[in-house]
Amino acid sequence: DIQMTQSPSSVSASVGDRVTITCRTSQDISNWLAWFQQKPGKAPKLLIYAASTLQSGVPSRFSGSGSGTDFTLTISSLQPEDLATYYCQQANSFPPGLTFGGGTKVEIK
Amino acid sequence: EVQLVESGGGLVQPGGSLRLSCAASGFTFSSYWMSWVRQAPGQGLEWVANIKQDGSEKYYVDSVKGRFTVSRDNAKNSLYLQMNTLRAEDTAVYYCARILYSGGYYRDYWGRGTLLTVSS
Repeated sequence: DIQMTQSPSSVSASVGDRVTITCRTSQDISNWLAWFQQKPGKAPKLLIYAASTLQSGVPSRFSGSGSGTDFTLTISSLQPEDLATYYCQQANSFPPGLTFGGGTKVEIK
Repeated sequence: EVQLVESGGGLVQPGGSLRLSCAASGFTFSSYWMSWVRQAPGQGLEWVANIKQDGSEKYYVDSVKGRFTVSRDNAKNSLYLQMNTLRAEDTAVYYCARILYSGGYYRDYWGRGTLLTVSS
C-alpha cells in the first residue's frame, strides 16, 4: 500500500496569509493526487485533482503542485471560510484502495 | 445534480450487525466504482470498501475484511454496506462516495454521512 504523509498536522494563520500544506507519498504516483477540504461537521469536498487541476467552483486562491512523491496545496490568501481540515489522497494505485493522508487542520488566528 | 444519501446508522451493541444504505441519483450509477469511507470521532478519513461498477470486484481495508460486505443494486441505484461482528472501533461516520476516473481515481461526490455507534 502507498503510504501518505501530510505536514504539518495543524497550522494557524491570519486572514490574508499564505498557507502551504505538503503531502509525501511512499511511491512515485506521477501527478495522480487529490486534495480534499472538510469543514467542521461536513462531508469532504474534492478541491483539486491530478495534483493541480481545480475542481469546478473552487476559488482560485487554492492551488496544487508537485509530482512523483512530493506535493503541495497552497492557499494564497487565507479566508475565514477556509477553516477546515485538508486531506490528500493518492489516485494512482487502484484497486484496492485510495488512501488518504492524515490531514492538516487549518485554523484562523 | 449528483446526490448521495446514506441511511441506516445508529447505536449497536458490540458483536451486533447493521446494514448501511446509500441512495444515488443524478448520474448513471452503474457506470461508476463506488466507495465507503469512514471517519472515527476526531480522526481522519479511512477508506473501508470499494466496489466495481457491476459488483464483480470488491476490496476492503484489512480491519474490516471478513466482517463487512459491500454490495450494490444498480436497478435501484443503491449501495450497501453489511457490517457484522461490530466492534467499538467501528464507531464512525460512514460516507458513501462516487469514484471518478480521470487519469487517476478520485472520490468526486460524497454523501453527508451516517453515524454508527458501537457501544454497550
